Amino acid sequence: AQKVTQAQTEISVVEKEDVTLDCVYETRDTTYYLFWYKQPPSGELVFLIRRNSFDEQNEISGRYSWNFQKSTSSFNFTITASQVVDSAVYFCALRAAGNKLTFGGGTRVLVKP
Amino acid sequence: DGGITQSPKYLFRKEGQNVTLSCEQNLNHDAMYWYRQDPGQGLRLIYYSQIVNDFQKGDIAEGYSVSREKKESFPLTVTSAQKNPTAFYLCASSPRQAFSSGNTIYFGEGSWLTVV
Repeated sequence: AQKVTQAQTEISVVEKEDVTLDCVYETRDTTYYLFWYKQPPSGELVFLIRRNSFDEQNEISGRYSWNFQKSTSSFNFTITASQVVDSAVYFCALRAAGNKLTFGGGTRVLVKP
Repeated sequence: DGGITQSPKYLFRKEGQNVTLSCEQNLNHDAMYWYRQDPGQGLRLIYYSQIVNDFQKGDIAEGYSVSREKKESFPLTVTSAQKNPTAFYLCASSPRQAFSSGNTIYFGEGSWLTVV
């Protein structure tokens, strides 16, 4: 069985603050993929990043960065210098054997001007 | 434009009625999925299809049915057997499910279903 836990249900910050979203996963498989998606108020899920279990390099894309630590089964996501447009729900997801994508409960980020 | 189109965006259903949500993709993806999202919750998999004329139950298939007669279409029927159907429904697709490649799943804009 696989499981994804996003312990933070909601985070509120003031614009330009950094915000880190936690994601902890469980799987018995040695090969798996981790994803982050953004869900703006419009509802659709926007793909942000995919990381496979053999690649522990951290990644930075603009104001977004991801920290993958296999030893702690975590795949955390940081938004640097947050903006109002970053307000959304963010989902972490895991894809292991069986090909199903398992989602965490999501973290709502509210960035106030 | 390439993408996944879901319709209708908003749908109201009377108790005891079946309703069908449409999902069409022009991305030439082999695999398609239906997820349900309840307010403040994550997404749960209802059904998925890896190829035409084949589909598998997800984690919460009871009360739902699907068909996959064409590659680009994967309609979801919410039957009267689904006791709590009010939710946000998301359709998704991905290239052929080669697990080793970790193909990304892309989502449509979703459909809101409300039972009245």
